[in-house]
Amino acid sequence: AQKITQTQPGMFVQEKEAVTLDCTYDTSDPSYGLFWYKQPSSGEMIFLIYQGSYDQQNATEGRYSLNFQKARKSANLVISASQLGDSAMYFCAMREFSGSARQLTFGSGTQLTVLP
Amino acid sequence: DAGITQSPRYKITETGRQVTLMCHQTWSHSYMFWYRQDLGHGLRLIYYSAAADITDKGEVPDGYVVSRSKTENFPLTLESATRSQTSVYFCASSEGTQISEAFFGQGTRLTVV
Repeated sequence: AQKITQTQPGMFVQEKEAVTLDCTYDTSDPSYGLFWYKQPSSGEMIFLIYQGSYDQQNATEGRYSLNFQKARKSANLVISASQLGDSAMYFCAMREFSGSARQLTFGSGTQLTVLP
Repeated sequence: DAGITQSPRYKITETGRQVTLMCHQTWSHSYMFWYRQDLGHGLRLIYYSAAADITDKGEVPDGYVVSRSKTENFPLTLESATRSQTSVYFCASSEGTQISEAFFGQGTRLTVV
């Protein structure tokens, strides 16, 4: 079963508008972390934001915020005031805290295009 | 330079040949990972390592071998390359804490012909 699901293969947003990228996850581990990465066309993976399962508040980093709904097992990324440079592939990932493993499990990604 | 570097950046090899992708990090992170990226699949874990001389399989380990004799290096070897191993390969490293993000190399684009 997919642990991380990103149901939007592609999204378009107008410059300066906000956009929400969806991510749902599946885990039985009570402790876990959720990560978002950006991959521009140049190919590198850039860490954006982290949310822990026990964090009381939704994470924010500049124009990025994470809409974390634990009961629904969703961790949507919200980008406010989109810029042309936000056009990229975005990946949601999860790390389960049980045991000693530290690997991230990734979703299939959402390609975001910001229109001028 | 500090960071995580992969070499080569691009590689074309023939079916059946052995090829090794190199990964070097300067942070002394305990954890290192190899992922492959294919369209529609996101990044899938091939192997990971928690420390020198400790490695374990990920989701798609078949056809790959890893070693980690030194903390800073984590080479990935395709023992007998197949066309299905054509992909972009990413190496990553992470501190040992649960909340630490993974830092990725620039990726290696491997084509098996």
